[in-house]
Amino acid sequence: TQLLEQSPQFLSIQEGENLTVYCNSSSVFSSLQWYRQEPGEGPVLLVTVVTGGEVKKLKRLTFQFGDARKDSSLHITAAQPGDTGLYLCAGGATSGTYKYIFGTGTRLKVLA
Amino acid sequence: DTAVSQTPKYLVTQMGNDKSIKCEQNLGHDTMYWYKQDSKKFLKIMFSYNNKELIINETVPNRFSPKSPDKAHLNLHINSLELGDSAVYFCASSQGLPGISGNTIYFGEGSWLTVV
Repeated sequence: TQLLEQSPQFLSIQEGENLTVYCNSSSVFSSLQWYRQEPGEGPVLLVTVVTGGEVKKLKRLTFQFGDARKDSSLHITAAQPGDTGLYLCAGGATSGTYKYIFGTGTRLKVLA
Repeated sequence: DTAVSQTPKYLVTQMGNDKSIKCEQNLGHDTMYWYKQDSKKFLKIMFSYNNKELIINETVPNRFSPKSPDKAHLNLHINSLELGDSAVYFCASSQGLPGISGNTIYFGEGSWLTVV
């Protein structure tokens, strides 16, 4: 069974600080996605990475896919209160089963 | 216009009842899903349909039965509700088979089910 463990599980920081969220697995994934979910809403896609070692930037957010396609990280620079939410990574199965496997989630709170 | 809409948003019901959650997407996608998010915010796939054909059926009690009358709709019917069924149920859709090429999943706003 493919599992995705995220760390930390909870994170509370002050506005302006930097942070990194990790998404780790012992399995290889065809692609890796990051979603953000705000209270009362469904997850919304932030980014998709498909190539091992790939780095993508979205304003203050930097996403990296591990070289072996087993892990990923999300780095936020100068966090803002608007970044508050639940961050979920999701791995695409490599073959056989057509599904995304979601990580355990990281709840981020950025204090003004 | 809402891309993926599901109803009802909130549902409180007694144990043993049967209830349905409806979902519609207007994105023209060919794949639809039902996910369950528990109190710890863990999001788990329950079912997936591609062009009305069931392609994913995770280990879910057979009290849960999805129905896809057409590509734009995927409803979830739950029989004999139990306390442990309390959760948020998300409908979602994507274009193409899931897990391949990083297809974007579009989620509905969720249906909060509380069984008392």
